[in-house]
Order: sequence, then structure tokens, then C-alpha cells
Amino acid sequence: DTGVSQDPRHKITKRGQNVTFRCDPISEHNRLYWYRQTLGQGPEFLTYFQNEAQLEKSRLLSDRFSAERPKGSFSTLEIQRTEQGDSAMYLCASSLRQYNEQFFGPGTRLTVL
Amino acid sequence: DQQVKQNSPSLSVQEGRISILNCDYTNSMFDYFLWYKKYPAEGPTFLISISSIKDKNEDGRFTVFLNKSAKHLSLHIVPSQPGDSAVYFCAASLTSGTYKYIFGTGTRLKVLA
Repeated sequence: DTGVSQDPRHKITKRGQNVTFRCDPISEHNRLYWYRQTLGQGPEFLTYFQNEAQLEKSRLLSDRFSAERPKGSFSTLEIQRTEQGDSAMYLCASSLRQYNEQFFGPGTRLTVL
Repeated sequence: DQQVKQNSPSLSVQEGRISILNCDYTNSMFDYFLWYKKYPAEGPTFLISISSIKDKNEDGRFTVFLNKSAKHLSLHIVPSQPGDSAVYFCAASLTSGTYKYIFGTGTRLKVLA
């Protein structure tokens, strides 16, 4: 399967713990996006990478959140000191520079107890 | 500030009939619009898109109409099939910059057999 993959698919953690999610984009896609979706809402933009450079971060991305894309391939999203309000589906998407359509992974569902 | 709105949270249609899903946006700078379909426990799947230089784009049973003066777009599905039952999100983006998407809140379509 050559689609976008995300790991883990589900994560349950206790408040205050740190969590890290991984996204593997479609090979050769140079653009990578993270979105967050809560119940009853559409996905909301968090951050964007072009190759290894993080070019935009939403104000939704507090200082407890950090994202990386070393070597311009896979990406990680880390949340430190998780709060119950962080419970959501975290979606990763990738695209080729010359096309606008983004391809989404299955998401990581985070539950903070 | 909800820049992209889907005012109908749900829609039920008989199999074989037309489904019409609506979306409104407020930012006149948006120049590219997309529709995504989402099944439970999966990421959004790209359906169809339209550039602001067009007013209609068709792909098989799916047609998207764009009315720039009204800042309104709609997705028509003809004929509707039970497999079309899903949550549909419209999204808007700017083709300059990061191409990030601004999503609506979604419309749950149920096609009745």
C-alpha cells in the first residue's frame, strides 16, 4: 500500500504524559500537513512542512506541541504534558508541490484520561 | 470565525435520487475548493475539486458547482447509491502559500435503499 500511513492508530494516555505520533507520507510527496479533528468539527490545520522545513504553524499549536520532519521524509508530532482538551483525531496529509489535492492518512485517535 | 460553513449537519436521500450538499465561504481570496468524503475510522478521501476560474466540474456521478458572487459551492451526486453514505466535507484553500485547507463542519449523507 503506497498511501499515507500513521502510527499508532489509537493512543490512550493519562493527563500530563507526553505522546508522539508518526506520519509516513506518500513517497516523493514534498508537502506534509498535520490537522486535528474534534467531534462534530472538520479537520483544523495545525502545521505544514515543505520538505524538511516547517513553514507555517497554526495558533492552535501551543508550545506543548512540536512537529518535525527530519530529512523531508516521515514526520512526528509530539504533545508534551497532555491535557484532556488534546483528545482528538490527529490527521496527516501529503501532496506533491505542483498539485493541490492532499491525501490523508487514517489518523491517530488520542484519548487523554 | 468559521470561514467555511456547511449549514446542514445531515441529509437523507432515497437511492437513485439526487443528493445536493451545500457549502458557503466568507473569504473571497479562496481560489480552490475541494470535497472530501469520510467514512468512520478512516481519513478523508478526496472526491472532486474546482478552481475559482471555473463554475462547474464534473467527474462521473459527482458534479461541483461554484458561485463566486454568492461565495457558495455545492456537490451534486446523481444517482445516489447506498455506498455514498458518509460524512462530506468541503474545503477551501489559497493556491499561493501553503495550500492549507480550511474545512467546513461536514454533512452526514445517508442514502436509503
